Amino acid sequence: DVKVTQSSRYLVKRTGEKVFLECVQDMDHENMFWYRQDPGLGLRLIYFSYDVKMKEKGDIPEGYSVSREKKERFSLILESASTNQTSMYLCASSFRGPRSYEQYFGPGTRLTVT
Amino acid sequence: TQLLEQSPQFLSIQEGENLTVYCNSSSVFSSLQWYRQEPGEGPVLLVTVVTGGEVKKLKRLTFQFGDARKDSSLHITAAQPGDTGLYLCAGGETSYDKVIFGPGTSLSVIP
Repeated sequence: DVKVTQSSRYLVKRTGEKVFLECVQDMDHENMFWYRQDPGLGLRLIYFSYDVKMKEKGDIPEGYSVSREKKERFSLILESASTNQTSMYLCASSFRGPRSYEQYFGPGTRLTVT
Repeated sequence: TQLLEQSPQFLSIQEGENLTVYCNSSSVFSSLQWYRQEPGEGPVLLVTVVTGGEVKKLKRLTFQFGDARKDSSLHITAAQPGDTGLYLCAGGETSYDKVIFGPGTSLSVIP
């Protein structure tokens, strides 16, 4: 079974703090993704990576950065957390090629910024 | 820009009833996926449909891909409380292996 794990299920941070969210997958997937999910707005892509050290901006990259130093690990960084970044953060991974659209998600991190 | 719409947005039914939820687009997709997300958890992939007109069954769940590959439906027979969750459809974009997600149908099955 594919396993995608995220470093925290719940996180509370203060405005202005630097926040690290980490995601690890064990299926040797090339692609990894970070989404945020908000009521009424659905899943929105923040960043994705299709290879080590490669990254592409998604639909809402402002205020975020990412790092992929190893194939199995993809980190999302909030440089200076703000209250409008309170959200559910979901990591996903997939193969490249014909099955690339089948994404496997982690359990999510519920981040609250106060 | 490819978009996916889902209907209904919310659905509350009694245990044992049948239901159908819909996923529609004006664009053609190479494939469509259906996911179920339980409260506080990440989405879980249920099925992928690839061929126009394709029908796939997963126990009490039946998935159909439209002939023109622009729409899909999910039919649940004899719904159970364990079916409660957010049902998301998703389709592949043409570049970079990105996926477009619909807004979801929130299903509540009352015992």
